[in-house]
Amino acid sequence: GAVVSQHPSWVICKSGTSVKIECRSLDFQATTMFWYRQFPKQSLMLMATSNEGSKATYEQGVEKDKFLINHASLTLSTLTVTSAHPEDSSFYICSARVRLEEQFFGPGTRLTVL
Amino acid sequence: AQSVTQPDIHITVSEGASLELRCNYSYGATPYLFWYVQSPGQGLQLLLKYFSGDTLVQGIKGFEAEFKRSQSSFNLRKPSVHWSDAAEYFCAVGPRGSSYKLIFGSGTRLLVRP
Repeated sequence: GAVVSQHPSWVICKSGTSVKIECRSLDFQATTMFWYRQFPKQSLMLMATSNEGSKATYEQGVEKDKFLINHASLTLSTLTVTSAHPEDSSFYICSARVRLEEQFFGPGTRLTVL
Repeated sequence: AQSVTQPDIHITVSEGASLELRCNYSYGATPYLFWYVQSPGQGLQLLLKYFSGDTLVQGIKGFEAEFKRSQSSFNLRKPSVHWSDAAEYFCAVGPRGSSYKLIFGSGTRLLVRP
């Protein structure tokens, strides 16, 4: 099956720094990837849709200047949390659209901002 | 408004017992329906999906789900639970013809008693 990886799997950073999270489709090309955020014991909330070669589409309430998304190739999308603060601490999960009707999810990245 | 409801936050079953996790949805038309499982600190794994046809769908790990249009439900079942099934289970819906913008339920945490 399709495999999606994320790097790093966890990261701890100081408040005010920026953190980049990578999402890769390992054995297929993905023109569309999605970024989700999951708070402890809660469901996934879609943050943005990342389309290769074009600007990401952000969901309402998601700060596009805070969460920079780049989808520079058919196998890589990156999420950069800029000037991170403790409230940005969360579990970030990406997914890649394999077919029109199916997404495959990465293992997630745990971000802790001190 | 589109929504997915998983009424049970936690469910505890004994190993070997049967399991049913409930999922109800509110959507403009019959959507695509999914069940995902998430182990602690991990991403989501697709258990099964319903697009059309037979309303009883079989998935991985011995899971099945039944789509009931009249009840707007898509409950997940397993006849005999194994300790390794302990995890968080998410029901999700998406628009027909696309997995774009999946809407997730709040999840049900399954605990398995030895």
